[in-house]
Amino acid sequence: EDQVTQSPEALRLQEGESSSLNCSYTVSGLRGLFWYRQDPGKGPEFLFTLYSAGEEKEKERLKATLTKKESFLHITAPKPEDSATYLCAVQAWGGTSYGKLTFGQGTILTVHP
Amino acid sequence: NAGVTQTPKFRILKIGQSMTLQCAQDMNHNYMYWYRQDPGMGLKLIYYSVGAGITDKGEVPNGYNVSRSTTEDFPLRLELAAPSQTSVYFCASSDTGELFFGEGSRLTVL
Repeated sequence: EDQVTQSPEALRLQEGESSSLNCSYTVSGLRGLFWYRQDPGKGPEFLFTLYSAGEEKEKERLKATLTKKESFLHITAPKPEDSATYLCAVQAWGGTSYGKLTFGQGTILTVHP
Repeated sequence: NAGVTQTPKFRILKIGQSMTLQCAQDMNHNYMYWYRQDPGMGLKLIYYSVGAGITDKGEVPNGYNVSRSTTEDFPLRLELAAPSQTSVYFCASSDTGELFFGEGSRLTVL
C-alpha cells in the first residue's frame, strides 16, 4: 500500500527565515510526486510534479527536490502570503487511472511578518 | 475558463437524508475524481472515472455512489447520510497527471 508522511505537521517562520518541508513516501513504483498548495476554504492548487530522483523544480521562492525515499519543499525568504497548507502526493505505476494520488496529511505553514 | 465547479458549497443534512453533490468541468478532461478531506487526515479517494460510462471505487467508497453520463459531469450521491460523512468533498479532473480541484463542498450531517 502506498504511503505518504509529511513533516512537520505545522511550521511557523518569520518573514525571510528559510526552511524546508519533508515528504517521505513508500510506493510500489513511483510514477510521479506532486506538491500542492491549499489555502483555507479553497481546493488544492497544483505546484510541481517530480518524476525521478535528482530532479528539481523551482517556482518563485519554492524549490522541490526528489530522492528515492523523500521529497523536500524548500522555501527561501518566505513572505506572509506563502502561508498555506502544503500537500504532497504520490502516483504509482499500474492501475487504470492517471490521477489516483495518495496524499500526505499536509504541513501547515505560517509566516509571520 | 471556470475549471472545476462544485455545488453546493455548504450543506447541512439530517441523519438518513440523501443528497447529490454536483461536479462539472469544462477542460474536456477524461479523468475525474471525488476526494474527501478530514482534519489531519489528508485527502482520501472515494470514487473515480476514466471516461463517460466508466467508474470505479477508490479507498473509501462505502455510503456513496457515482455516475458519469457525460465527459463534463461527475455527481456524487450520498445515500442515508451518517455523521461519519461530515467532511469537505473535493472534485478533481485531470488529463496529463496533475489534478485540478474544485473549491470544495462542506457537508455536515447532524
